[in-house]
Amino acid sequence: DAGVTQSPTHLIKTRGQQVTLRCSPKSGHDTVSWYQQALGQGPQFIFQYYEEEERQRGNFPDRFSGHQFPNYSSELNVNALLLGDSALYLCASSRTTEKLFFGSGTQLSVL
Amino acid sequence: ILNVEQSPQSLHVQEGDSTNFTCSFPSSNFYALHWYRWETAKSPEALFVMTLNGDEKKKGRISATLNTKEGYSYLYIKGSQPEDSATYLCAFYGGGATNKLIFGTGTLLAVQP
Repeated sequence: DAGVTQSPTHLIKTRGQQVTLRCSPKSGHDTVSWYQQALGQGPQFIFQYYEEEERQRGNFPDRFSGHQFPNYSSELNVNALLLGDSALYLCASSRTTEKLFFGSGTQLSVL
Repeated sequence: ILNVEQSPQSLHVQEGDSTNFTCSFPSSNFYALHWYRWETAKSPEALFVMTLNGDEKKKGRISATLNTKEGYSYLYIKGSQPEDSATYLCAFYGGGATNKLIFGTGTLLAVQP
């Protein structure tokens, strides 16, 4: 049983570009959450998707958007990248409010 | 803004020492408190999900307690081993408008052989 998989593992972009990160949840999980972890901080909640809809959103600007597909996989899109968007982006899946299973993350560097 | 605070920020102990750290969270609208262990170069892994005031959970040498009325949880590690070295994160799950997991900044534990 594959766990949560994320792609790509590393990504380098320049300011102003757009990026799409992908996540496949653990089998049987219907909820996908995205987190940003900057250096020295705990994971910060970006948003959560359930039944293809954004159910909850953290304190992130509209440049951060997402999508969930019928197979429960999800994408995180960031437009107009800023240097401060450089971080580890973690995807986590769960069944509703149960414990999260995390992917290994996508390390995004914005130059 | 809801705050989840963890202390200490980091901890260095010798192999065999027992240790504990604290997670403080809002005492209102409580639904669950999660503990995760995050080893370097790996994904965070769930240790416990605690929902009831007074709850105690145990997994091997690691245990946790929960006080929802005063808004804190303790994580204990008995006889620390080098493989326990990791960042330990707690996360608060509230109901209503806070229906999302809010993480603390973690406690970095280093166990020296």
